[in-house]
Amino acid sequence: DAGVIQSPRHEVTEMGQEVTLRCKPISGHDYLFWYRQTMMRGLELLIYFNNNVPIDDSGMPEDRFSAKMPNASFSTLKIQPSEPRDSAVYFCASQTGGRAYNEQFFGPGTRLTVL
Amino acid sequence: AQKITQTQPGMFVQEKEAVTLDCTYDTSDPSYGLFWYKQPSSGEMIFLIYQGSYDQQNATEGRYSLNFQKARKSANLVISASQLGDSAMYFCAMINTGGFKTIFGAGTRLFVKA
Repeated sequence: DAGVIQSPRHEVTEMGQEVTLRCKPISGHDYLFWYRQTMMRGLELLIYFNNNVPIDDSGMPEDRFSAKMPNASFSTLKIQPSEPRDSAVYFCASQTGGRAYNEQFFGPGTRLTVL
Repeated sequence: AQKITQTQPGMFVQEKEAVTLDCTYDTSDPSYGLFWYKQPSSGEMIFLIYQGSYDQQNATEGRYSLNFQKARKSANLVISASQLGDSAMYFCAMINTGGFKTIFGAGTRLFVKA
């Protein structure tokens, strides 16, 4: 298995632009998580899905952030409009369901820089 | 509210020696799980070990063991026989087994000296 795939790996954009981050989970995993990592706030859970349905989006910082999972093999995290404080590494992770102690497999992350 | 605390921002250890990374947690849920992840400088997150709140024995995975003291709400990671490749950031995390929301500690950066 190729593992969790994220694209792009690096994104540099200007303030006010729309940014879309993409994630392909491991086949067969029915949970998908989006995290953000910054020096100031550490690793934060933004939102997670179960069977393509958003379960908990309480970590989404504000309305500029939105996430979708149109099918079991694809998810997007969109920021519109982007701001410099959104600069961070965004991780996607997937997990098989049924037991919470199943390991979350992380993607390589997308390093976002908003100028 | 759930909380994970890692009080050691940085740690140094001599190669081949053992090192303990501290983690304390706070939760009112009786059922939860505790994880440790490693993040090398390349940035990926690597799962190391898991401990469930009802597990009677401490978890072990190769050179990694988790010193779980439930009454003290601590879940320290012990790395035996440190290697240069162990130099990385280490995160303690907790999951509520009633759901799948995971919270992470601030991390401890480990430096292994030759």
